[in-house]
Amino acid sequence: KQEVTQIPAALSVPEGENLVLNCSFTDSAIYNLQWFRQDPGKGLTSLLLIQSSQREQTSGRLNASLDKSSGRSTLYIAASQPGDSATYLCAVRPGGGADGLTFGKGTHLIIQP
Amino acid sequence: DAGITQSPRYKITETGRQVTLMCHQTWSHSYMFWYRQDLGHGLRLIYYSAAADITDKGEVPDGYVVSRSKTENFPLTLESATRSQTSVYFCASRSQRVRNTEAFFGQGTRLTVV
Repeated sequence: KQEVTQIPAALSVPEGENLVLNCSFTDSAIYNLQWFRQDPGKGLTSLLLIQSSQREQTSGRLNASLDKSSGRSTLYIAASQPGDSATYLCAVRPGGGADGLTFGKGTHLIIQP
Repeated sequence: DAGITQSPRYKITETGRQVTLMCHQTWSHSYMFWYRQDLGHGLRLIYYSAAADITDKGEVPDGYVVSRSKTENFPLTLESATRSQTSVYFCASRSQRVRNTEAFFGQGTRLTVV
């Protein structure tokens, strides 16, 4: 059974810092990996999707990398802003025909002004 | 507006009652999903559907029923609600036409069973 772990569970940093959120998964047979942002009381907003054949994806100040063989992904946030405060979720789509995403429990990020 | 909408946003029901959560998407996505989000567990898949009239169980299907008579709707029914089904429920959809496409989520329904 696929398991997804996110470290750290919570992170508080001053504004302007570059930071890295980590995601690991136990079964490397994935179709893709998706990073989401969730604000309190809200739904999930898709940030980046990395296909299993890709090594990284970039969107603005966000960069996500994927090392499928080692079961790891990182989300890099450059020049953090208070508006980046949210919970960040990592999810993998299995490669074996079953559908639906398997989620990590998230990293709760606070950017201090 | 295009997108995926869930209703109601908030619901309080009593133990043993039947309750239906609605999900509607305007993209004509083939795939639709129901997840529940609980503290300590994260999001877990309840049921999903690959197309109208095709549904399949996810990780935590017990106590839930789904149907999909139309592509755009995917209701989730709790036949006899229990306190353990108190949770935030999210509906999601994904296109089948484009490989490696993102899943898009609704705003969620917060359900409390008393």
